[in-house]
Parts: sequence; structure tokens; C-alpha cells
Amino acid sequence: AQSVSQHNHHVILSEAASLELGCNYSYGGTVNLFWYVQYPGQHLQLLLKYFSGDPLVKGIKGFEAEFIKSKFSFNLRKPSVQWSDTAEYFCAVNAGNTGKLIFGQGTTLQVKP
Amino acid sequence: GAGVSQSPRYKVTKRGQDVALRCDPISGHVSLYWYRQALGQGPEFLTYFNYEAQQDKSGLPNDRFSAERPEGSISTLTIQRTEQRDSAMYRCASSRSGRGRGAMNTEAFFGQGTRLTVV
Repeated sequence: AQSVSQHNHHVILSEAASLELGCNYSYGGTVNLFWYVQYPGQHLQLLLKYFSGDPLVKGIKGFEAEFIKSKFSFNLRKPSVQWSDTAEYFCAVNAGNTGKLIFGQGTTLQVKP
Repeated sequence: GAGVSQSPRYKVTKRGQDVALRCDPISGHVSLYWYRQALGQGPEFLTYFNYEAQQDKSGLPNDRFSAERPEGSISTLTIQRTEQRDSAMYRCASSRSGRGRGAMNTEAFFGQGTRLTVV
């Protein structure tokens, strides 16, 4: 069965620190990969996605993620976080010719001003 | 509407009661998905529709859970004889594409969710 694992459950950073959130998935075939973000009191929003092509994808608000097929990973990065990045971050994968998403358990990011 | 709309935003119900959660997708979106999210966990797939047809209900936990989308637009997720373990955030999402590679390559837009508490 497909699964997604996020290694960090709760991350606390100071403003301007660099961020990397780990995500690994298990599935042997073609996958699409996503990072969603949920800001406090808001709905899930797409941060970035990988379908094909350049494995380094850039999203909104300065976020990027790198797909490494050999490691089944899709880690999220940001060089310098801001207080407004405080949110919950979810990695997700879909496969099997449907739009059904399998989510990781999420990482809560707290950025201290 | 501009986005996916879910109602109610919050629902408190007594154990044993039935509840109906509503999702109004983005106009014209073919696919509609229901997810459930327990506290501290990621969303977990329940079921999805293409137009009015329920394509996959493998994530529904038991036969107390059902969903419908009779006219291919608004969907209702119904939980009968609610139990405390049903307490969770229920999320709905919609996307443009229906099947095949197109379904995979399409962004899903989420609603605000319905927070269900069974007491």
C-alpha cells in the first residue's frame, strides 16, 4: 500500500533560519507529489507540486522541493523562514490514475519572531 | 462559488444521532473527494466521485458512513448512529479532471472543513 512519512512532527525555528522538512513515500510506480500548507484558521492550500520534468520545483512564498526518485523523497525547503510561515505542512502523493491523495501525518512549524 | 464550501463549519452531536455534512465544490469541477483528519494526523481518504458516480469508497470505515452526489455537484457525507470515535475534521476537495492521467495531474482545492464532535 502507498504511504507517506514525514519525519518531523513539530519544528520550532527563529526567523531567518533555514527550513527543511523531510518527506518519504512508498510506491514503486509513477507518482505525483505535493506539499500542502494550512495556516491557522484557514483551509489546506497547495504550496507546490511535482508531476514530471525538473525535479527541483518552486512554489509560492519562496518554498521549493526536490524530488529524488532513488530515495523516494520529496523534501521541502526554504532558505529563510518568516513568522508568517507558522503553519502545518502536509506532504502528499497520488498514484494509480486517480486524484486520490495519500497524506503524511503533517509537520507543525512554529517560527519565533 | 469562488471556492469549495463546506457546511456546517462546526457540528456537535450526541452519540447515536445521524449527521449530514455538505460540500459544494467549485463550479464545473468533475471530481469531488472526502477526507477525514484526526487530531495530529494527516487527512485520510474516504471516498470520491466523478460527476455523480462514486468511483471509490474504499476509505469509508464502515457501513455507517455513506456519501452521495446525486446531480454531480453538491455532495453529502452522512454518518449514521454516530460514535465518539467519529469525532474529526471532515474535509472536502474538488478538482477539474476525472480519470486517468488527467486526474493525477490536477490540483485539488480544499474547503474549510467541518469539525465534528460527538459527545
